[in-house]
Amino acid sequence: AQKITQTQPGMFVQEKEAVTLDCTYDTSDQSYGLFWYKQPSSGEMIFLIYQGSYDEQNATEGRYSLNFQKARKSANLVISASQLGDSAMYFCAMREGAGRRALTFGSGTRLQVQP
Amino acid sequence: DARVTQTPRHKVTEMGQEVTMRCQPILGHNTVFWYRQTMMQGLELLAYFRNRAPLDDSGMPKDRFSAEMPDATLATLKIQPSEPRDSAVYFCASGLVLGGSSYNEQFFGPGTRLTVL
Repeated sequence: AQKITQTQPGMFVQEKEAVTLDCTYDTSDQSYGLFWYKQPSSGEMIFLIYQGSYDEQNATEGRYSLNFQKARKSANLVISASQLGDSAMYFCAMREGAGRRALTFGSGTRLQVQP
Repeated sequence: DARVTQTPRHKVTEMGQEVTMRCQPILGHNTVFWYRQTMMQGLELLAYFRNRAPLDDSGMPKDRFSAEMPDATLATLKIQPSEPRDSAVYFCASGLVLGGSSYNEQFFGPGTRLTVL
């Protein structure tokens, strides 16, 4: 079974609009962390935002927010006021448990921001 | 500006040749990860180290891949012999794990793009 599922291979959004990228996860651990990374065409992996399983509030970082719904096991990324520079691949990832620190990644969503 | 560095950035080699990729983690970080990215498999973990000790290398083909940390400032990933199916981007990432902290942001290097002909 997929640990991290990103069901949107590609998304389009108009500049200045908000967009939500979906991510669902599967784990039996009580302690886990959820991450979003951005990968522009240059290939680097850029950390965007983190949500811990025990965090009661949704994480926010500037224009990025994470809509964390624990019961549904979803951790959607919301980008507000999209910019052309937001065009990239976006990966959702999970770190399970307290001992294991490596990340398991989803397949990614390619976002294209249109002027 | 602390960054993870990786060398080489690009490598083209012929099947059967040895390939060594190097990574310098961010100074002070105690955890190093090697990931591989391909179109078919996406991003997958190959190995990771904490305090220079290998904790998990289950994602690595043991017959041809090896990963080491000769010291705290250098991690290496070696493929011998290389095969065309090893063509991928190899990322190194580092992080700092403290005690029971559940937070572990991983900082990625720019990657090594390997092409095996």
